[in-house]
Amino acid sequence: GNSVTQMEGPVTLSEEAFLTINCTYTATGYPSLFWYVQYPGEGLQLLLKATKADDKGSNKGFEATYRKETTSFHLEKGSVQVSDSAVYFCALRPNYGGATNKLIFGTGTLLAVQP
Amino acid sequence: EPEVTQTPSHQVTQMGQEVILRCVPISNHLYFYWYRQILGQKVEFLVSFYNNEISEKSEIFDDQFSVERPDGSNFTLKIRSTKLEDSAMYFCASSEALAGGQYNEQFFGPGTRLTVL
Repeated sequence: GNSVTQMEGPVTLSEEAFLTINCTYTATGYPSLFWYVQYPGEGLQLLLKATKADDKGSNKGFEATYRKETTSFHLEKGSVQVSDSAVYFCALRPNYGGATNKLIFGTGTLLAVQP
Repeated sequence: EPEVTQTPSHQVTQMGQEVILRCVPISNHLYFYWYRQILGQKVEFLVSFYNNEISEKSEIFDDQFSVERPDGSNFTLKIRSTKLEDSAMYFCASSEALAGGQYNEQFFGPGTRLTVL
């Protein structure tokens, strides 16, 4: 079946440190991959996405590359800020060849950035 | 900027009681969704809704659950007889209609925390 596995948190970093949050997936076919972010008290927001192998999604200094050979979509940022503190969710959208828009999420990783 | 809203933010209920969770999707969106996250576990898809009917549902979405769009703005999730294991954060989402299989971003609400005692 389809599933997403994320590294467990919390991840605590100092400002300007390099961030990696690991995400691997299991899926049939060629799913689309996403990172969502949830700031305190808010809903999940789409951070970036990639729809095919070797695509790189990027937004707000965050990047993730769709690696089919390792079934991974790791999130990276070169220099984190305190304002990046949030919960980050990796997700996939199955591609059955039919119309589905459901998302399959990982458990989320809490990132805490200290000044 | 338009956003999805959910009420209440926290609902406490006794086991066996019915609860209705409410969502107001973004006004021009046509697809609606419910997800839930049990504490410490993954966010799980429950159901999607389009054109006044369920378009897809998961195995979690059994006869205890129902969804409705009672008017032009609200989208509700009803749990008929709550169980302890229904305690979770429930997220509503909405998106524009699918076109040619392209992904339409889902916009999420802040969630309703349901506690069943």
